[in-house]
Amino acid sequence: EVQLVQSGAEVKKPGESLKISCKDSGHIFTTYWIAWVRQMPGKGLEWMGIIYPGDSDTRYSPSFQGQVTISADKSISTAYLQWSSLKASDTAIYYCASVLSIAAGAGLDVWGQGTTVTVSS
Amino acid sequence: QSVLTQPPSVSAAPGQKVTISCSGSSSNIGINYVSWYQQLPGTAPKLLIYDNHKRPSGIPDRFSGSKSGTSAALGITGLQTGDEAAYFCGTWESSLSTGGSYVFGTGTKVTV
Repeated sequence: EVQLVQSGAEVKKPGESLKISCKDSGHIFTTYWIAWVRQMPGKGLEWMGIIYPGDSDTRYSPSFQGQVTISADKSISTAYLQWSSLKASDTAIYYCASVLSIAAGAGLDVWGQGTTVTVSS
Repeated sequence: QSVLTQPPSVSAAPGQKVTISCSGSSSNIGINYVSWYQQLPGTAPKLLIYDNHKRPSGIPDRFSGSKSGTSAALGITGLQTGDEAAYFCGTWESSLSTGGSYVFGTGTKVTV
């Protein structure tokens, strides 16, 4: 069974750094893209960016460029989303999801369970 | 940030049918496949429809998708209380300013 398993909930203070993870099992990790999606409390889904672990090709939504860093370690089939300095407005649930092919216009077919990030002083 | 427009909510009685619209533009829905996602309360989204009308394994044929021009639609027949959820459309954006990004609809809450 294909699964994406995300790291646990985090509570942080403004200005702190954070790195959350998304471990893939069941896919051939280096042949899928891994996307990150934000959902703020009571709101809709927002595309943050995507990475191809096979060659680390990474693309960001203009709204999130420079605000977060997406990376991956293919040796352990894990993708990451990190912040260098959190803000209260980063409070949200963050989902990872797999995409077979951007060129083919594929959808986000498998989703992680989500990681809740709370930023509060 | 959403560039795809959906009605905020739709409702119908059990057993009835609902249709959810998703309106985009020539740089997204007009030239790319549309997917639909179901988000049950307190859970992660799940892929419901891909490539405009195809269903992943395990998705009942009560759910259907269609696309015409720069709009898409999700139909749910034989409504069940378990269908109460938020539904989002999504597709790739091919405009020069945001090319290579994925865009989601504003989301529709279905009440049965």
